[in-house]
Parts: sequence; C-alpha cells; structure tokens
Amino acid sequence: NAGVTQTPKFQVLKTGQSMTLQCAQDMNHEYMSWYRQDPGMGLRLIHYSVGAGITDQGEVPNGYNVSRSTTEDFPLRLLSAAPSQTSVYFCASRGETGVFGELFFGEGSRLTVL
Amino acid sequence: GNSVTQMEGPVTLSEEAFLTINCTYTATGYPSLFWYVQYPGEGLQLLLKATKADDKGSNKGFEATYRKETTSFHLEKGSVQVSDSAVYFCALGSARQLTFGSGTQLTVLP
Repeated sequence: NAGVTQTPKFQVLKTGQSMTLQCAQDMNHEYMSWYRQDPGMGLRLIHYSVGAGITDQGEVPNGYNVSRSTTEDFPLRLLSAAPSQTSVYFCASRGETGVFGELFFGEGSRLTVL
Repeated sequence: GNSVTQMEGPVTLSEEAFLTINCTYTATGYPSLFWYVQYPGEGLQLLLKATKADDKGSNKGFEATYRKETTSFHLEKGSVQVSDSAVYFCALGSARQLTFGSGTQLTVLP
C-alpha cells in the first residue's frame, strides 16, 4: 500500500541548475498538490491540480512549473534553481470532493540549492 | 484571504501533563478545520477534523472543537505521552486548498 511516493528524498543543486521532483499516488485521487515547508512558516501551497490536464497556482508558484498528464503523477519542475528554493517539499493528494477532505502526504524531498 | 494563526512553540511538557495548543483562523464562508501531526522525518498525517460549527473532532485522546463565535479550533489532550512529541499544524480547508498555520513543536519529557 504505497500511498504517495516522492523521489528523490534528498537533492543538492547548484544555482541555475534544473531538476524535477517526482510524485506518484496509487489511490486514484483526482486532487494533487505541492507544498514547501520552511522553518516558522508552516506549509505553503505551490501548485495544485484537480485532475489530469488541469493545474493551478497556489500561494508561492514563482520559479516552479507543474503538469498533470495522468491521474497518478504530478511532477514539480525547477527550471533554474535559486538558493531561496532551499526547502523541504511535500506532495499531497486527496480523493474526496466537496468538503475539503483528508490530504495524504508523501515523506518529503529535501532540496538544498548552493 | 484565509489565514491561520497558531500558538508559537516550542512547547515542552512532562508526561501526563495537560496540553493545549491554540489556533485561530480568518476565513470567508464556512471552511473545514483540521489538525495535522508531523513526526520527525515524516510527512504530515491527519490527526482530527471538524467540518462545521460546534463539531468536535477527536482521535488518539486529542480533541478540538470548531468555535465559530471565537474563530478558534484549539487542540487539547488530557494526558500527553512521550510518543506525542511531534510538530502539530492547524489548517483551514476551503474549496481548492488547505491553508496551514506555522506549526507548534511539542516535546514531552518522561
């Protein structure tokens, strides 16, 4: 029972490099999202998707791209990494519609940009 | 817009002590309210939730009541254990997203 799987768990980048954080869920959830977690700031929403082919911006979208070609996968792309993007990234999904139901989180991806 | 204000941490308690973590919110409409818990090195897990005013969410001895008149959703537990040591997040759910508070680190000493 995998749930939400994120890869890689740890990554170090140099300023200007690009990379993709992978997220996959096996619960057939329509809603998927990416958050970043920074000390003292809780979790902030980067992008979310309510279904394949549909994405939208959250609170802090700048510097990040997403796409949703399948129900299962929701990758997060950093096109030109900056030190301000050093953070822990969480992917989360949910299946309920209407009243905002439970989010299921991955274990996180710790990114350091030098 | 929506926002959540959560009690600053860290909080350190002795085992069997009473716990309260305060949470207040600002929102339009009728949001759902949640408490999530994050154990070291893990993602967040739902602890409890309440979907309308005066609802009480409860789980694992933790409780929180959705108070519309005071816009609050305080987390309580009558007797904490060492295994409750974690970071606790209050969150507000609207149609498209969850808005989190800044988190409260709880350490319970034996």
